[in-house]
Amino acid sequence: EVQLVESGGGVVQPGGSLRVSCAASGFTFTDYWMHWVRQVRGKGLEWVSRINSDGSGIHYADSVKGRFTISRDNAKNTLYLEMNSLRGEDTAVYFCARDRTTGPDLWGQGTLVTVSS
Amino acid sequence: SYELTQPSSVSVSPGQTARITCSGDVLAKKYARWFQQKPGQAPTLVIYKDSERPSGIPERFSGSTLGTTVTLTISGAQVEDEADYYCYCTADNNQGVFGGGTTLTVL
Repeated sequence: EVQLVESGGGVVQPGGSLRVSCAASGFTFTDYWMHWVRQVRGKGLEWVSRINSDGSGIHYADSVKGRFTISRDNAKNTLYLEMNSLRGEDTAVYFCARDRTTGPDLWGQGTLVTVSS
Repeated sequence: SYELTQPSSVSVSPGQTARITCSGDVLAKKYARWFQQKPGQAPTLVIYKDSERPSGIPERFSGSTLGTTVTLTISGAQVEDEADYYCYCTADNNQGVFGGGTTLTVL
């Protein structure tokens, strides 16, 4: 079965750090670019970051640039998002998504990150 | 930064045609895609490359483009099509952009 499973969400204090992961299965991970997208509860989708298949091409939204780092371990079929200097406005469900023809297609179910003291 | 503008809500009766628009200058030169999101679920891709439909998506879903506006059309909308719909494209600066989302009500 083709799927993406996020993990690592939780509660973190403002200014803190957290790493979320996305385990891919059922497809050849190394063939695909990958995205992170987030969604504040009750609000719309916000694109966060994208990484190409070998990790050499990376792009970020202006809202997270310099604070978040996307990476991947192709040997483990896993995508990561390292989040530093977290703020209340970073509280959201974080989805990973596979890229197909210049945009997301397959999505995971998401992991909730709450930034609160 | 780039922006995509969608109506906040669209309402139709079952069996009618629902049309959801997405506007933005970037759409004149970049492909758009559409996602459906039901409450508590992850988004599902329903249209890519402006008008292509992934396998498994009902034929009543179609997409079109004209200038800086793309349109998602649901012909003969069903109650199960009630959801939030988002347009998306990748801009020139390689950043992704989502529209604000449209809530479709079918009743």
